[in-house]
Amino acid sequence: ETGVTQSPTHLIKTRGQQVTLRCSSQSGHNTVSWYQQALGQGPQFIFQYYREEENGRGNFPPRFSGLQFPNYSSELNVNALELDDSALYLCASSLVSTYEQYFGPGTRLTVT
Amino acid sequence: AQSVAQPEDQVNVAEGNPLTVKCTYSVSGNPYLFWYVQYPNRGLQFLLKYITGDNLVKGSYGFEAEFNKSQTSFHLKKPSALVSDSALYFCAVRDSGAGSYQLTFGKGTKLSVIP
Repeated sequence: ETGVTQSPTHLIKTRGQQVTLRCSSQSGHNTVSWYQQALGQGPQFIFQYYREEENGRGNFPPRFSGLQFPNYSSELNVNALELDDSALYLCASSLVSTYEQYFGPGTRLTVT
Repeated sequence: AQSVAQPEDQVNVAEGNPLTVKCTYSVSGNPYLFWYVQYPNRGLQFLLKYITGDNLVKGSYGFEAEFNKSQTSFHLKKPSALVSDSALYFCAVRDSGAGSYQLTFGKGTKLSVIP
């Protein structure tokens, strides 16, 4: 089975721009979650999708939005980028019937 | 609200010695508890989980963790540390009663195993 993949690996954007990050879930997984990991911190929950619907959201503003597609791949969109959005963005997939989440390698976003 | 505390930013241990990485948690309901490991410039790798049952759970690479409900702790342990265990370790909790699968992570503990 294939693991969770994310693209791109690295990204540099300018403040005020918009960015789209992509995630391909582990085969058979129907739930995807996105996390933001700032330097020196633990991952912070952004939101989760199940069956293409948002199923929980952390303390992030509406300019963070997402999509889950029928093949369970997912996108994270961030509008009006701010310097503090610079972080490692992690995607994690799981099955409803299990408990652990499996993480991708992440996308390193730098906002200048 | 749920939270996790990892009181040690860094733990140093000699190769071959036992290691412990500490974690305490707070949730409204019953906890689901997890340990993940992160190597430099990599995503998080699942090590082990406590859902229910035996308080001592065993995971990957010889790691184990002990759930203590009265102390709200879930410390990670290994009987004999390897240099290759050097990495960043995260404890995470999820409230079993919550509708979403949100994991709340601690800030992480850097483990250094000294040859």
